[in-house]
Amino acid sequence: DSGVTQTPKHLITATGQRVTLRCSPRSGDLSVYWYQQSLDQGLQFLIQYYNGEERAKGNILERFSAQQFPDLHSELNLSSLELGDSALYFCASSVAPSGVYNEQFFGPGTRLTVL
Amino acid sequence: DAKTTQPNSMESNEEEPVHLPCNHSTISGTDYIHWYRQLPSQGPEYVIHGLTSNVNNRMASLAIAEDRKSSTLILHRATLRDAAVYYCILRDSQLGAGGTSYGKLTFGQGTILTVHP
Repeated sequence: DSGVTQTPKHLITATGQRVTLRCSPRSGDLSVYWYQQSLDQGLQFLIQYYNGEERAKGNILERFSAQQFPDLHSELNLSSLELGDSALYFCASSVAPSGVYNEQFFGPGTRLTVL
Repeated sequence: DAKTTQPNSMESNEEEPVHLPCNHSTISGTDYIHWYRQLPSQGPEYVIHGLTSNVNNRMASLAIAEDRKSSTLILHRATLRDAAVYYCILRDSQLGAGGTSYGKLTFGQGTILTVHP
């Protein structure tokens, strides 16, 4: 158990819908990262927040947005869902903003299926 | 980000050592070498990291070539639980001012390790 929690574990929805994925970082970690893992693209970085502020953006679509709240939990919002958005979404956390000298701790993931 | 190259797959027998290679010929002086693994149906898990010297922890050892153009993750006695995809990742310690690569992990295809009983 990494200490990072993600809800829900599974999500099945239809195209065009909007969903929210939730992540609670490890106690004391200020950085939260979101990653997407699909069969064709592998594991890809989406976005990072540190202490409530956006720190880095990766291959995140405009239909996707995220935020980190004062209690440090984070939500990833996916809208106008397409079949290709079906994937595993992982949240990770770390103590420091860069994590170069520290590890990232990953949650168990949310499996999103868009029908 | 500097690129890494790993074999697609490797096989090992239980209780034997495993050497997982990674080539990173374009590594810069400020790049740290990180290894993560992903067990089936789980999120990635940190294994080890280093800069220039060889490193040991309870999970594995990391051997870094003198020119730093390659490294090897060593599992001293493979168990069935070590069957996973292993990712070798370079992380630039200098980035951060512009914020564009701050903290992200860039995963390649990794090496699928199969451990036979």
